[in-house]
Amino acid sequence: DTGVSQNPRHKITKRGQNVTFRCDPISEHNRLYWYRQTLGQGPEFLTYFQNEAQLEKSRLLSDRFSAERPKGSFSTLEIQRTEQGDSAMYLCASSLTAGNKEQYFGPGTRLTVT
Amino acid sequence: DQQVKQNSPSLSVQEGRISILNCDYTNSMFDYFLWYKKYPAEGPTFLISISSIKDKNEDGRFTVFLNKSAKHLSLHIVPSQPGDSAVYFCAARSGGATNKLIFGTGTLLAVQP
Repeated sequence: DTGVSQNPRHKITKRGQNVTFRCDPISEHNRLYWYRQTLGQGPEFLTYFQNEAQLEKSRLLSDRFSAERPKGSFSTLEIQRTEQGDSAMYLCASSLTAGNKEQYFGPGTRLTVT
Repeated sequence: DQQVKQNSPSLSVQEGRISILNCDYTNSMFDYFLWYKKYPAEGPTFLISISSIKDKNEDGRFTVFLNKSAKHLSLHIVPSQPGDSAVYFCAARSGGATNKLIFGTGTLLAVQP
């Protein structure tokens, strides 16, 4: 299967702990996106990478959040000092550049902060 | 502010009939629109898209219509099948270099056998 993969699928953590999620995009895709989805809402854009460069960050991405894509392949999203409001589904998507508008999503990581 | 709106949280149709899902947007700079389908515990799956310069795009049982003057698009599924039961999200591309997508809140479609 060559789709987008995300690990872990589920994460339960206590408030104040740090968590890290991983996304492996479709191999030939240059662009990688992170979105967050809460109950009853559609996915909301967090940040995106063109190869290894992080080119845009949403105001939703507070300074407790950091994302990396060190070699332009997989990406990690870290949340420090988690809060209950961080509980959500974190979705990763990838796409080719330029003419391709479609983004292909992974299965997501469900974070629960207790 | 909600730039992409799906005003119907849910829709129920009989198998074999047409399903029509609606979406409204406010930003006239959106240049591309997409529909995604989402099953529980899975990520959204791309379904069909349309450029802002078109008014219709068809792919098998799925057709998307775009009315730019009304800032409205709709997804038609005909005939509807029980396997189509899922949450459907409308999304708009913001344009510029980012290609980020702005999603509506989704419509839960239930196709009754």
